[in-house]
Amino acid sequence: DGGITQSPKYLFRKEGQNVTLSCEQNLNHDAMYWYRQDPGQGLRLIYYSQIVNDFQKGDIAEGYSVSREKKESFPLTVTSAQKNPTAFYLCASSIPAGSSYEQYFGPGTRLTVT
Amino acid sequence: KNQVEQSPQSLIILEGKNCTLQCNYTVSPFSNLRWYKQDTGRGPVSLTIMTFSENTKSNGRYTATLDADTKQSSLHITASQLSDSASYICVVSSPYSGGGADGLTFGKGTHLIIQP
Repeated sequence: DGGITQSPKYLFRKEGQNVTLSCEQNLNHDAMYWYRQDPGQGLRLIYYSQIVNDFQKGDIAEGYSVSREKKESFPLTVTSAQKNPTAFYLCASSIPAGSSYEQYFGPGTRLTVT
Repeated sequence: KNQVEQSPQSLIILEGKNCTLQCNYTVSPFSNLRWYKQDTGRGPVSLTIMTFSENTKSNGRYTATLDADTKQSSLHITASQLSDSASYICVVSSPYSGGGADGLTFGKGTHLIIQP
């Protein structure tokens, strides 16, 4: 899992509540990413950030929000607007942004909303 | 639309046997192809990264091949061990964000189970 930590490992929330997933890296990487993984599907990009104080929407950004106030941290908030939030969430980082650079993944957070 | 197809979807083999996982892609233009191993409930870990000019790359008992003409890659596992039980994900990157917004197209993975 390299130098990327995600917390908590398991998270349970009631429907209608916002929840924030933590992602911290000590690899001095510029770029950070959030993916969602559902059973039988490939990873889908939620948001990514190439540099501090800047981030872009991925393919499934609706119902999610992020911030990048520090290089080491890229928290993801799952809002009540996300219609199907139960999933496994993975954070990743890479040296610069761009598809040519290897991504390092965190251990993931499994979110269950009931 | 760029796609990455992996086969088989799942595979069960006995410990000590060899196996080969397949990855076919339609991503264009092509930058590189990566194989990741993902243990259950964990994040993916990189096994190999292959560029256009590389045909074969090994990492211990894992050997990846790439045929850029036919747009096919394989991951061969030799003398399998119980610890090889995992999902193996093929990821193809494009320099022009032809896949996701990050330029990556992920396969759905092959779920491999090694039985004693």
